[in-house]
Amino acid sequence: DAGVTQSPTHLIKTRGQHVTLRCSPISGHKSVSWYQQVLGQGPQFIFQYYEKEERGRGNFPDRFSARQFPNYSSELNVNALLLGDSALYLCASSLRREGAAAFFGQGTRLTVV
Amino acid sequence: GESVGLHLPTLSVQEGDNSIINCAYSNSASDYFIWYKQESGKGPQFIIDIRSNMDKRQGQRVTVLLNKTVKHLSLQIAATQPGDSAVYFCAENSGAGSYQLTFGKGTKLSVIP
Repeated sequence: DAGVTQSPTHLIKTRGQHVTLRCSPISGHKSVSWYQQVLGQGPQFIFQYYEKEERGRGNFPDRFSARQFPNYSSELNVNALLLGDSALYLCASSLRREGAAAFFGQGTRLTVV
Repeated sequence: GESVGLHLPTLSVQEGDNSIINCAYSNSASDYFIWYKQESGKGPQFIIDIRSNMDKRQGQRVTVLLNKTVKHLSLQIAATQPGDSAVYFCAENSGAGSYQLTFGKGTKLSVIP
C-alpha cells in the first residue's frame, strides 16, 4: 500500500520567491495536515484540511496558504520566502478529522538562500 | 504550549536492554496521544497511540503508559535493537474540533551494540 507521498523531496529557492509543495494522502484518508520542522525541533502544526475545508491553522503568517483538492491531495504554498522558512515540510494524513492515527510522508526539504 | 530546544535529551542503552522514554505533555484537555520515531532525513513514523480513557496500551515490543494526573506519557521498548536508534517524539491532540498535534521536544535513543 502506498503511504503518504510528497513532492518534491528537495528544493532550493531564493529569498522572495514562491514555492508550492504537494502531498498525496493514503488512499481513503480525508484529512491532510501540514507541519514545519526545523533542525533539532519537533514538527510545528501549520494547517489541517478535512473534506476540502480548512479545519485548523497554526501560528504561521499569511504568507503560508494551502488547499485540498477533490481527490484529497493537498498543496502548501509559501510566498515571499525568507531564510527562516528553510525547514523540512511534512504532510500527514489520517482517516478522520481528529483522534485517528496520523501518518507522515518523508517530507520536502526546503532551503532558502 | 510546548517547549523545544536545540539540544535533544539523549538516552543510551545496551542492545537487548529495555528502553523507557518519557514525555510531559502540556494540555490537560488533550485526549489522544501518539508516539513517533524519526530517523535522520525521514518523516516521523507512527509507533503507537493511546486515548485518554486508557492507562496502558501494548504493541509489538512497545508499551505506552499514560498518567493523566501528572500529564505524563512513557514509551517502553522491549529488547532494544540497533534499528531502534532514532529520535522519538510524543504528540498530543486536544481534539477541540481540529487535528492539531503538538509535539514534545524529542528524545534521541542510541543503542549500543
